[in-house]
Amino acid sequence: QSVLTQPPSVSGAPGQRVTISCAGSRSNIGAGYDVHWYQQLPGTAPKLLIYTNINRPSGVPDRFSGSKSGTSASLAITGLQAEDEADYYCQSYDNSLSGWVFGGGTELTVL
Amino acid sequence: EVQLVESGGGLVQPGGSLRLSCAASGFTFRGDWMHWVRQAPGKGLVWVSRVNVDGSIKGYADSVKGRFTISRDNAKNTLYLQMNSLRVEDTAVYYCARERYYHNSGSEAFDIWGRGAMVTVS
Repeated sequence: QSVLTQPPSVSGAPGQRVTISCAGSRSNIGAGYDVHWYQQLPGTAPKLLIYTNINRPSGVPDRFSGSKSGTSASLAITGLQAEDEADYYCQSYDNSLSGWVFGGGTELTVL
Repeated sequence: EVQLVESGGGLVQPGGSLRLSCAASGFTFRGDWMHWVRQAPGKGLVWVSRVNVDGSIKGYADSVKGRFTISRDNAKNTLYLQMNSLRVEDTAVYYCARERYYHNSGSEAFDIWGRGAMVTVS
C-alpha cells in the first residue's frame, strides 16, 4: 500500500490527452511538499519527468505538464505517442514518516 | 557523461548479507546527497535510505532500519549499501539516485538514477 495513491492504469489513443492523478494527505502533499514525477520505460531506470510540481527538466517535451492542488497532484500528457507507453510515478516527502514517498505507479497504454 | 553504476547484487539466503556499490562519474559526487531506492519485481518504487555529502547524516525507511547501513567514500566516488539480516521481502532491484535540492521550495527529487542491481533473497 503506497502512501501516495495513483490509478493502476490509464490508456489513450495516439494524439489524445490523458491525466494521471496522485492523491496524498496532510502529511505529504497537503503539508506543502512538492510533487515530482518520473517516467519508467519498460526494463529501464526511472527518469525525472516533472520537478517541483510543474517544471520540466531539459529535454522533456512540453506535452508533459504537472499541477498540484491541495492534497493531490496530476500529470497530463497531450498528443499521446507510442513512445509514451511507460509506468509513471509521483513522489513527495512525508513528514510523519520522515522519508520520501512514491505513488504505486500508473501504467500508461497507448492504444 | 553523468553516470551511476550499481554492482554487488546477487542471490543470497534469508538471514544473509550483501553489499551494494554505486560508482559515480561525470559530476562532483562529494557535493551531492545520495539515496537508495528499491523496486520489487512487478511493484512500485520505494525509498530505502539517504546520506549527506560527508556521510555524517543518514536516514532509513522503517522497513530496513537496523538492518541496512548506507555509507560513502568520496575519494572513490562510490556509494554503498550494506544489507544484513536479509529477508525474502527485500528482493528487489536497488537503484542509487542523486538528490537534486530545489532551494526555492526546499524540496528534493532524484535527478540521476543508476540502472539498478538485482538482489534476490531466497
